[in-house]
Amino acid sequence: EAGVTQFPSHSVIEKGQTVTLRCDPISGHDNLYWYRRVMGKEIKFLLHFVKESKQDESGMPNNRFLAERTGGTYSTLKVQPAELEDSGVYFCASSQALTGTGFYEQYFGPGTRLTVT
Amino acid sequence: GENVEQHPSTLSVQEGDSAVIKCTYSDSASNYFPWYKQELGKGPQLIIDIRSNVGEKKDQRIAVTLNKTAKHFSLHITETQPEDSAVYFCASRGGYQKVTFGTGTKLQVIP
Repeated sequence: EAGVTQFPSHSVIEKGQTVTLRCDPISGHDNLYWYRRVMGKEIKFLLHFVKESKQDESGMPNNRFLAERTGGTYSTLKVQPAELEDSGVYFCASSQALTGTGFYEQYFGPGTRLTVT
Repeated sequence: GENVEQHPSTLSVQEGDSAVIKCTYSDSASNYFPWYKQELGKGPQLIIDIRSNVGEKKDQRIAVTLNKTAKHFSLHITETQPEDSAVYFCASRGGYQKVTFGTGTKLQVIP
């Protein structure tokens, strides 16, 4: 079974440009999450999709970030326009649909390292 | 919101020794505490987890303890091996599925 994949693995852009990150979750996983780790700090939650719907987007920093999951399969995270503080590693994770008590495992992708210069 | 603190930020141990990483959380409603291992170039991978109704859980050389009263939980790795070298994250889940991570501990096992 293929794991969570992310593209690109690394992106270097200039301040003011636009970047789109892509995440392909494990097949059949309804839940998809985006996280971000800024250098040396904790991994921070950005948002959570259940299928194509945004369940929780409380972690999105501002309106320069737009996440989509059309069709409930892969997801994209667009940053427009990018700022220096957006640099970091963006992780995507997916999990199966909740059952019972709701305990589940989130499977993480390898991340996209974004550098804004 | 939930806040998770993790210590130490770096840890070096000799091969064969034990390693302990400690975390505290703030939200008394948190009920699930996973630990992740992140190797270079990879995403975090779940290595062990503990639920709030359990005080201790062990899986081979890895054990986790939870003190709900004090809001502390710890990861213990015994008989460390070079392949244990990685960044370890503690985390907690308070609200609906939202996971809050600690800042990470870089563990180096010296052969």
